[in-house]
Amino acid sequence: ILNVEQSPQSLHVQEGDSTNFTCSFPSSNFYALHWYRWETAKSPEALFVMTLNGDEKKKGRISATLNTKEGYSYLYIKGSQPEDSATYLCATLSGGGADGLTFGKGTHLIIQP
Amino acid sequence: DTAVSQTPKYLVTQMGNDKSIKCEQNLGHDTMYWYKQDSKKFLKIMFSYNNKELIINETVPNRFSPKSPDKAHLNLHINSLELGDSAVYFCASSPRDYPYEQYFGPGTRLTVT
Repeated sequence: ILNVEQSPQSLHVQEGDSTNFTCSFPSSNFYALHWYRWETAKSPEALFVMTLNGDEKKKGRISATLNTKEGYSYLYIKGSQPEDSATYLCATLSGGGADGLTFGKGTHLIIQP
Repeated sequence: DTAVSQTPKYLVTQMGNDKSIKCEQNLGHDTMYWYKQDSKKFLKIMFSYNNKELIINETVPNRFSPKSPDKAHLNLHINSLELGDSAVYFCASSPRDYPYEQYFGPGTRLTVT
């Protein structure tokens, strides 16, 4: 099972500021990396699936990059809004897809008005 | 219209009882999963079920048994419940193909007293 580390564990950001956080994973046996957004009392919601080294994905103000050689992915949020407050999870496939995802502990993001 | 649904949403029961949590997906996915959110809010894979193939996580006690009556359902049965089983359990499903983007249910909060 791959160990997935996320940092920071929590983050307070002023509304309107941009921010980013990190997901680190062992670079060997990489299959794919998933980013999820998780609000309290709701189910995790898929943001991006990253598959290739140098992959970049964007959805509105949120984007992500992937470096499989060095084993990290960054998630960026531009112009943070209060509705961005959530826990952001990254997860990797631990083998073939049916083995399920190995999650990091998440970055808890709080946007302060 | 719910893609992945779980019942019940809340379950309170006493130690020693046997209980089941049901999961259904209407996405036509071939693979379904059970995850446990532990006391530290960490999501961990318990089982995945790909058509008729069950993949078991060895850290899960054998009191936990998934049952799949058909491709759209994966139920979780728990025997002889213990206090430490209290957690939120999430069901998820994914297509059979890479990169196995997963869709999560709303979770079932199990409290064992």
